[in-house]
Amino acid sequence: QKEVEQNSGPLSVPEGAIASLNCTYSDRGSQSFFWYRQYSGKSPELIMFIYSNGDKEDGRFTAQLNKASQYVSLLIRDSQPSDSATYLCAVSSGTYKYIFGTGTRLKVLA
Amino acid sequence: DAEITQSPRHKITETGRQVTLACHQTWNHNNMFWYRQDLGHGLRLIHYSYGVHDTNKGEVSDGYSVSRSNTEDLPLTLESAASSQTSVYFCASSGGLARGAQYFGPGTRLTVL
Repeated sequence: QKEVEQNSGPLSVPEGAIASLNCTYSDRGSQSFFWYRQYSGKSPELIMFIYSNGDKEDGRFTAQLNKASQYVSLLIRDSQPSDSATYLCAVSSGTYKYIFGTGTRLKVLA
Repeated sequence: DAEITQSPRHKITETGRQVTLACHQTWNHNNMFWYRQDLGHGLRLIHYSYGVHDTNKGEVSDGYSVSRSNTEDLPLTLESAASSQTSVYFCASSGGLARGAQYFGPGTRLTVL
């Protein structure tokens, strides 16, 4: 059974700090990795995708991928209270289908 | 602007009734997906389609069906609603860009009494 695992949290960080969200996956054939943000009562919103080992930066967000360790992370710099949400990791093996993790709830404390 | 819409946004029905949830996208995406989201389970794939007249079962397809007669729409039908199908349902679509990144509709909250 292919799995994507995330710590459910909540992960609490003070405003202005770096939030680090982690995700591990079991399928070594996974090719594409996505991070979504979901506010309570809303639909998932794509933040970033990554498919090569290393870092990918977009504004305050950095995605990190390590295929050897089967690990993908999302760093949020200068965290703001508006970043408080559940962050979902999704993994694709190249068929356009995703497997989602159950998400990590982030709380940014003002 | 291109978008993906779902209707109704909220639905209350009774056990045993047939229910259809609509999903319409104007992205001109080939790929469309239906998920349900429940506490403790995250997003689980119900059915998906890679194009017109193509449909495939996901991990939780029992009791659900879909049909794809055009690019824009993928309605989800619950043949005989059960209380276990009370959930929030999301439709998503993807094209060939951005490694198949999926874009989600606003969701439908379904309650089966």
